[in-house]
Amino acid sequence: AQSVAQPEDQVNVAEGNPLTVKCTYSVSGNPYLFWYVQYPNRGLQFLLKYITGDNLVKGSYGFEAEFNKSQTSFHLKKPSALVSDSALYFCAVRDSLYNFNKFYFGSGTKLNVKP
Amino acid sequence: GAVVSQHPSWVICKSGTSVKIECRSLDFQATTMFWYRQFPKQSLMLMATSNEGSKATYEQGVEKDKFLINHASLTLSTLTVTSAHPEDSSFYICSARGITKTSSGEQYFGPGTRLTVT
Repeated sequence: AQSVAQPEDQVNVAEGNPLTVKCTYSVSGNPYLFWYVQYPNRGLQFLLKYITGDNLVKGSYGFEAEFNKSQTSFHLKKPSALVSDSALYFCAVRDSLYNFNKFYFGSGTKLNVKP
Repeated sequence: GAVVSQHPSWVICKSGTSVKIECRSLDFQATTMFWYRQFPKQSLMLMATSNEGSKATYEQGVEKDKFLINHASLTLSTLTVTSAHPEDSSFYICSARGITKTSSGEQYFGPGTRLTVT
């Protein structure tokens, strides 16, 4: 079965500081991992994905994520946080075995960036 | 590119009535569309997958007679909540999968529809 876990409900960081939003995964087959961001009353916006290749994936708005197979993690990072980064972040894994269309989302992590 | 729209963005309806939500892919053809439901402060739960011209595939526990999905064209899918009840109040998000100029097979999400049943 495919699943992702986001262990932190909320992350607080000061503007200008680096941020990390954690995600661990459990998959059968190859992991296809994604990060999305959601602003209040809005849909999800794609940030980045890992399919194959380099473990460090660069995405939109200066975000990046590191795929770590041994730790089954895919943490989202940004070197310098902005107040405008405050939002809800979802990690997701795509089913690579039975239904390639199906995404499994984590519970979400609320990021608060304080000025 | 790869824009998905939803209409309406917010709807309030009375208990017992039906409400239709539209999901459109604006600049690409969506071979498959998906409907998600999101409860407050919770993650997205896939409700159903629809392919153009065929019946939707519903996830376990989702009532197909209550949540009617129609994928009439490659750019439009509709979700109709029939005989709505207050417990159907939620944020409904669609996504569309298709081929765009920049990617193949990715899912693009709509902005969501807030349904409140009184």
